[in-house]
Amino acid sequence: GAVVSQHPSWVICKSGTSVKIECRSLDFQATTMFWYRQFPKQSLMLMATSNEGSKATYEQGVEKDKFLINHASLTLSTLTVTSAHPEDSSFYICSARGSGSTDTQYFGPGTRLTVL
Amino acid sequence: DAKTTQPPSMDCAEGRAANLPCNHSTISGNEYVYWYRQIHSQGPQYIIHGLKNNETNEMASLIITEDRKSSTLILPHATLRDTAVYYCIVVGYNTDKLIFGTGTRLQVFP
Repeated sequence: GAVVSQHPSWVICKSGTSVKIECRSLDFQATTMFWYRQFPKQSLMLMATSNEGSKATYEQGVEKDKFLINHASLTLSTLTVTSAHPEDSSFYICSARGSGSTDTQYFGPGTRLTVL
Repeated sequence: DAKTTQPPSMDCAEGRAANLPCNHSTISGNEYVYWYRQIHSQGPQYIIHGLKNNETNEMASLIITEDRKSSTLILPHATLRDTAVYYCIVVGYNTDKLIFGTGTRLQVFP
């Protein structure tokens, strides 16, 4: 299967700071990337969909000014958690999908964010 | 997208076949059935998908009933490393979103 990487794999930051998470498709071009969040013992929750070269589409209840998404190239999307607070502590996972209408989504390994 | 129903948990002995059911009674004609699994603290891993024919790959087999209202994921020889949460997701043609339910927690025991 296709490979998707995330960096960093874990990060600890102070409350009020911003954190950037990178998602890369390593062996295919991803026209669409997705960002999910997962709290302990819960399922994945889709946060937003990002298409290369256009603005991200956020799911209901997700603050677009807090979770900034950039998809500047076909292999890279970034999620920036701005002014992070302890309640933003979570497991953030990205996925990437190729350009075909039936292309499968492949997931990154996730980034564990802890806000102190 | 159609909703799916899965049992919350299942056990399976190592070396035996694990059969994980999924009900998707409201599936429509152009919707696919996808299976992913998530091992603890990792990103989900793609397993297999199908539309109406049964499918097999190196990881698993997917059996879809003729009326497409349910399916079964089969891991033919479960190992301890197959312990994970398995998600059955119905996805429309040319639809991007994967909406994860609660899945089935499969515990493989020695």
